[in-house]
Amino acid sequence: QQKVQQSPESLTVSEGAMASLNCTFSDGTSDNFRWYRQHSGKGLEMLVSIFSDGEKEEGRFTAHLNRASLHVSLHIREPQPSDSAVYLCAVSMHMGYKLTFGTGTSLLVDP
Amino acid sequence: DAGVTQTPRHEVAEKGQTIILKCEPVSGHNDLFWYRQTKIQGLELLSYFRSKSLMEDGGAFKDRFKAEMLNSSFSTLKIQPTEPKDSAVYLCASSLRGGNYAEQFFGPGTRLTVL
Repeated sequence: QQKVQQSPESLTVSEGAMASLNCTFSDGTSDNFRWYRQHSGKGLEMLVSIFSDGEKEEGRFTAHLNRASLHVSLHIREPQPSDSAVYLCAVSMHMGYKLTFGTGTSLLVDP
Repeated sequence: DAGVTQTPRHEVAEKGQTIILKCEPVSGHNDLFWYRQTKIQGLELLSYFRSKSLMEDGGAFKDRFKAEMLNSSFSTLKIQPTEPKDSAVYLCASSLRGGNYAEQFFGPGTRLTVL
């Protein structure tokens, strides 16, 4: 059964400093990796979806995938206080609709 | 365009009660998902509908949880009877096309507390 783990559990960064979040997964046949953001009391907002090894940039958000290392990361460039939220990693396999989620990293951006 | 709507936003129930949570997907979307979110387990898939047909019924959640798509624009999740361990946030999501890798759009969730 797929296991998805995120680290750190919580992270505080200063406004403008790079924020880096990590996600490891257990099944090497996984083929789609997504990062979501969830502000308190709100639904999930997809930030970036990546299929191939390497990087994918969407605005200030960049995902890096290394399938051999079972690792995907999210880097947030110039984070702002409005980026303070929980960030969730989700992984899917052959049936793309079925997502396995990590338990999240809580990010606080200090002004 | 309206996003995914969920009602109520908060629900408090006594142990043993029946509760019904409601979801309206994005207009025109074909797929609908129900998830449960807790701090310890994260998000777990409860049910998945593709064009109103139930494709996944959540395995371990089958006995007390029942999701239905009454029409293409309305879904309910019934929990009967409720137990304190059901306290969680219940999220509904929809996606445009049937099949794989489509982006799921999430509602704000219903926070359920069972006493």
